[in-house]
Amino acid sequence: EVRLVESGGGLVQPGGSLRLSCTVSGFTFSDHRMHWVRQAPGKGLLWVSRISTDGTETHYADSVKGRFTVSRDNAKNTLFLQMSSLGAEDTAMYYCTRDVQSVGDYWGPGTLVTVSS
Amino acid sequence: DVVMTQSPLSLPVTLGQPASISCRSSQSLVHSNGDTYLSWFHQRPGQSPRRLIYKLSNRDSGVPDRFSGSGSGTDFTLKISRVEAEDVGVYYCMQGTHWPPYTFGQGTKLEIK
Repeated sequence: EVRLVESGGGLVQPGGSLRLSCTVSGFTFSDHRMHWVRQAPGKGLLWVSRISTDGTETHYADSVKGRFTVSRDNAKNTLFLQMSSLGAEDTAMYYCTRDVQSVGDYWGPGTLVTVSS
Repeated sequence: DVVMTQSPLSLPVTLGQPASISCRSSQSLVHSNGDTYLSWFHQRPGQSPRRLIYKLSNRDSGVPDRFSGSGSGTDFTLKISRVEAEDVGVYYCMQGTHWPPYTFGQGTKLEIK
């Protein structure tokens, strides 16, 4: 069974940092590109980042470029999102998703990030 | 960036009746390889999104055949042949042809009348 489980969310002060993790099982992690997608409370879906199978190629939404860094550890079946200089606009549920024929054939339950003083 | 525009934003439907959601893109979604990277997602309240359709008209595994995707170029449609109670929630279209960024529509909220 394919499973993706995000962790690392929580309450962080404006300007702070947070690292999200997504641990996967049930498939060969190193064979798949992965994405992060976020959803602000009561709002729609926003694509955040994509990483290649070996981690050498990354892409970001303009709103997070220079502040967020996506990475992966294929030996540990884990995807990461390092977030810094966080602002209120980054408050959202963060989902990791697998890429098969494009974004999102499987999604995790999400981890909530709240940026507030 | 490609803008995805969905209509309607709210869709009340009677159980057993058909439903249709429109999605328009600000530019053609036909990729140079000939594929159209247009996907549809369904999100129930309090749950993660679930992909229903990929590459315009291909149903994901386990998706009932009452769901179908169609369209071309810049105009796309998700159709539900007979709405069931479990179909309530928000539906999103998403383009993956001209990335980054991948872009989603605003969402269409389907509810039962």
